[in-house]
Amino acid sequence: GAVVSQHPSWVICKSGTSVKIECRSLDFQATTMFWYRQFPKQSLMLMATSNEGSKATYEQGVEKDKFLINHASLTLSTLTVTSAHPEDSSFYICSAPGRFPERDEQFFGPGTRLTVL
Amino acid sequence: DQQVKQNSPSLSVQEGRISILNCDYTNSMFDYFLWYKKYPAEGPTFLISISSIKDKNEDGRFTVFLNKSAKHLSLHIVPSQPGDSAVYFCAASINTGTASKLTFGTGTRLQVTL
Repeated sequence: GAVVSQHPSWVICKSGTSVKIECRSLDFQATTMFWYRQFPKQSLMLMATSNEGSKATYEQGVEKDKFLINHASLTLSTLTVTSAHPEDSSFYICSAPGRFPERDEQFFGPGTRLTVL
Repeated sequence: DQQVKQNSPSLSVQEGRISILNCDYTNSMFDYFLWYKKYPAEGPTFLISISSIKDKNEDGRFTVFLNKSAKHLSLHIVPSQPGDSAVYFCAASINTGTASKLTFGTGTRLQVTL
C-alpha cells in the first residue's frame, strides 16, 4: 500500500510556542490530504482537508487561525499549531487518499504525539 | 452527534475463534464503509471496505457484512490470532468520486487470548 510519513513522531513544547508537523506521501502524489486529531480513548476526529495549491477546508469548531495548514506541493502538507496550549496536547494524524479515490481508502501516517507543557 | 457508533469498547476472544466487531451508523447518505486497525501510537491501517451496493466483502480471514436497512455493519475475523489484538475503527463516507472525508466510530479494542 501507499506510504505516508509524519515528522516529528513526538514533540514536547512550552505553552505559547508554535509547532509544525509535516506529512509526506512517499511514493505517490496527493492533491488532498486530511488532518485528524485523536484524544485518549476517543475516536479520530477530522480537523481539516488540505488541498494542494489552495486553502484548506476546516471542520466545524476547528480554528483555522490556530491550526495553520499549508499544502505547498503534491507530496507535502504541514500543520502548524500556533500558540499551543496544554489542551492542544493530542495525537495528530494525517492521511492521503489511495490511487482509487472513489474507493475512499485513505493511507494514514504514523501520527505525531504533541505534548504542551 | 456521533454518526458512526461502535457500542462495544472492548472485546476478548480466544485464539482460533471468531471475532465479531459491530458498527452502527445514522446517516443514510453514507455509501462506503471501511474498517481500520490501529496499534497504540501508530496511524490506522486499512483492513477492508464495502460499498453500499454490496452486502458482503471477504478478504482472507476478514469479512465485512453490511445491512443497509438496519444501518449496521460488522467485521468478522476468523480464525482470530493474537496478532489481531488492536483497536478496530469503523469508518464511513459519502462517496463523491474524489477524495472523501471519513467519519470514524469510537473504536473497539480487541484482545485475542491464547
